[in-house]
Amino acid sequence: NAGVTQTPKFQVLKTGQSMTLQCAQDMNHEYMSWYRQDPGMGLRLIHYSVGAGITDQGEVPNGYNVSRSTTEDFPLRLLSAAPSQTSVYFCASSYAESSYNSPLHFGNGTRLTVT
Amino acid sequence: TQLLEQSPQFLSIQEGENLTVYCNSSSVFSSLQWYRQEPGEGPVLLVTVVTGGEVKKLKRLTFQFGDARKDSSLHITAAQPGDTGLYLCAGAKNSGGSNYKLTFGKGTLLTVNP
Repeated sequence: NAGVTQTPKFQVLKTGQSMTLQCAQDMNHEYMSWYRQDPGMGLRLIHYSVGAGITDQGEVPNGYNVSRSTTEDFPLRLLSAAPSQTSVYFCASSYAESSYNSPLHFGNGTRLTVT
Repeated sequence: TQLLEQSPQFLSIQEGENLTVYCNSSSVFSSLQWYRQEPGEGPVLLVTVVTGGEVKKLKRLTFQFGDARKDSSLHITAAQPGDTGLYLCAGAKNSGGSNYKLTFGKGTLLTVNP
């Protein structure tokens, strides 16, 4: 059971380049989300999805796009990378957003550097 | 405004010592989750506490949810180097209807030296 799989593990971009961070889960979870983790800032929610075809913004959505065409996949797109987007990105899933005790299952992250 | 304050931010102790880390808020949460994150990996859930005053034990780790469901603590007995990691608390608040939002604290970075 792979859980949540993120690719790539590391990425270096130049300012203005675009890229897609991939996230896939094999647990049939309805809820998926993207976080960024920065020193001293903790985990901040970028975008989330409560099911295929449904996405919504989190705390820090600017500069990022998402789509959810299948239950399994939730890619995060950077349209024009900026140095401020240098961070570690985590994808997480859970079986339901509505359950107050639903735990998140995290991937192992993508470390992105924008020069 | 940081909804969840974790303290201390950093903690370095020797193997065998006991320690307590705290997660505090002025807000009431429906539940509180504790995660541990090791270098290069994503956070992994340790426990969820739901009821005010609840105490849960996971081997040498004891988790407590405050009576008013605004705070929580994690106590580790006889710490081992394998306990080293970033400990994150996350509180769930109702955001309307049956939906809940999860807010993370900034974490406590624990180092247990052999």
